[in-house]
Amino acid sequence: NAGVTQTPKFQVLKTGQSMTLQCAQDMNHNSMYWYRQDPGMGLRLIYYSASEGTTDKGEVPNGYNVSRLNKREFSLRLESAAPSQTSVYFCASSDLGRPGGAFFGQGTRLTVV
Amino acid sequence: DQQVKQNSPSLSVQEGRISILNCDYTNSMFDYFLWYKKYPAEGPTFLISISSIKDKNEDGRFTVFLNKSAKHLSLHIVPSQPGDSAVYFCAASESGSSNTGKLIFGQGTTLQVKP
Repeated sequence: NAGVTQTPKFQVLKTGQSMTLQCAQDMNHNSMYWYRQDPGMGLRLIYYSASEGTTDKGEVPNGYNVSRLNKREFSLRLESAAPSQTSVYFCASSDLGRPGGAFFGQGTRLTVV
Repeated sequence: DQQVKQNSPSLSVQEGRISILNCDYTNSMFDYFLWYKKYPAEGPTFLISISSIKDKNEDGRFTVFLNKSAKHLSLHIVPSQPGDSAVYFCAASESGSSNTGKLIFGQGTTLQVKP
């Protein structure tokens, strides 16, 4: 039972490069989320998809785009990476958040130089 | 504006003692609260939750208390074990027509349990 799978686990980008972070879940959840974790800031919501075919901005959406490809997959794209996007990115899925909240992937550690 | 705050970045306790982690929130629309535990190089994992209709929820060594009037919740771990050493995140969500399951997290508290 894989749960939430993120790829890649590590990535180094140069400023201005683009990349897509992939996420897939096998729990048949309707909702999926992208968070970033920075020291002292906790986890901040970038974008979310409450159901297949819908996406909405979270707390820190600037510089990112998302695609809900199907019920299983939710990708996060950085079109022109900046050093401020150096972070650990987590994908999560849930059945509307309760009772057990969201299930998280292992994370992608991204460094932009 | 930080809607969920964990004002203690770190906490150190002795094995066998009680650990108390605190969390405050500002949004009165929040009605469901969760605690997550995170080990290094892993994703957060769900620990325990509480609905706003309750003031206490217990699961083994873990108990969460909710004080709605003070907009405050706390996580008690009794007895604390070295394996509990991790970062603990408080999170909140709101239901109703705006229920999307999205969670707003606090900054986290690093718990160290010393043998």
